[in-house]
Amino acid sequence: DQQVKQNSPSLSVQEGRISILNCDYTNSMFDYFLWYKKYPAEGPTFLISISSIKDKNEDGRFTVFLNKSAKHLSLHIVPSQPGDSAVYFCAASETGNQFYFGTGTSLTVIP
Amino acid sequence: EAQVTQNPRYLITVTGKKLTVTCSQNMNHEYMSWYRQDPGLGLRQIYYSMNVEVTDKGDVPEGYKVSRKEKRNFPLILESPSPNQTSLYFCASSRGARGYGYTFGSGTRLTVV
Repeated sequence: DQQVKQNSPSLSVQEGRISILNCDYTNSMFDYFLWYKKYPAEGPTFLISISSIKDKNEDGRFTVFLNKSAKHLSLHIVPSQPGDSAVYFCAASETGNQFYFGTGTSLTVIP
Repeated sequence: EAQVTQNPRYLITVTGKKLTVTCSQNMNHEYMSWYRQDPGLGLRQIYYSMNVEVTDKGDVPEGYKVSRKEKRNFPLILESPSPNQTSLYFCASSRGARGYGYTFGSGTRLTVV
């Protein structure tokens, strides 16, 4: 049973606009969340993380929002660039050792 | 260059023939892990290791073994591969369990016929 879900398999956004990628989780004990980006034929690359004591974390163009009551997190990319076109995975952990990943959202940024 | 190196990148093998996928990291990371990626299922954790000689099962450990005799190496062993282990495998390492993201290898595409 998937404990971390990314319900949108794909997303297309115009260059310069905001990309919003969403992730839902079912385990209320998760307290550490991460986002990864993956290009074809490469391993995932760590983007940004957030712990449950925060509701927002920002790193340059990337911001992650956490809504614990809704068990929902989102990744905002502003402004979106063509190089951001990739598959994005969210991941969650309770212990910090065992991580659960979503199925990924393929983002296409249109020039 | 800081990296996680997996070998081989591609492997086709037959059912039942033991194989090992190697993983090595040059960042002196304590934490290492193996994942498999399958369509519609995302990445699922197979095994992880918090340090030398310390390993534990992830979400899908059946049919796999690991060992961590040295800090830099974390091989994945399939004693008797079966077709349902056909998948894309990733090794990853991290400085610690929390507060740090993984560095992933480039992946090993395994086909078991």
